[in-house]
Amino acid sequence: EAQVTQNPRYLITVTGKKLTVTCSQNMNHEYMSWYRQDPGLGLRQIYYSMNVEVTDKGDVPEGYKVSRKEKRNFPLILESPSPNQTSLYFCASSLSVEGANQPQHFGDGTRLSIL
Amino acid sequence: KQEVTQIPAALSVPEGENLVLNCSFTDSAIYNLQWFRQDPGKGLTSLLLIQSSQREQTSGRLNASLDKSSGRSTLYIAASQPGDSATYLCAVGSGGFKTIFGAGTRLFVKA
Repeated sequence: EAQVTQNPRYLITVTGKKLTVTCSQNMNHEYMSWYRQDPGLGLRQIYYSMNVEVTDKGDVPEGYKVSRKEKRNFPLILESPSPNQTSLYFCASSLSVEGANQPQHFGDGTRLSIL
Repeated sequence: KQEVTQIPAALSVPEGENLVLNCSFTDSAIYNLQWFRQDPGKGLTSLLLIQSSQREQTSGRLNASLDKSSGRSTLYIAASQPGDSATYLCAVGSGGFKTIFGAGTRLFVKA
């Protein structure tokens, strides 16, 4: 089954404790992206990647890191989490950006609470 | 900077009614526009994607239109059903391969 898998689905942690949210897709997609969703603000793009070793900032990259060493994986790293990063996070992928006609497929989300 | 606005923020209609959801964007230099559905506590499901060169796309009871020059898209839902109740989001593919989302329209269809 074609899917985007995020782990963990839920996480409660404390300020300053490094964490990684994993994202994996099994569709051989080139484009992958991370978003956060907050009430009243909608979804905002954090980082995206056009292919292996190619990443770029979205609208809200501060406090986050990403890497794309393999095509299928795109982890989101919070080196020193703070309470303002408490949010619902989504990973998405699409076949290719250059084609511009491929829909994005989303994971089920990761609810992150930072105390 | 690209901004995407969705009106109305919430909508309640009786079952069977045809309805239109609106999405507007400030920069017409987009390469696509996508409509999604989000159920409470769930991820996003892609409904329709319109390339910048297209005017509309249809899938079942859904029809999405795109007018780049005026910076507008509409999602038309025919013969609404209670199962259509969800939040509908539009997203534009914009400069540098970014994706910008609107805040969504929360739809409630009453049986």
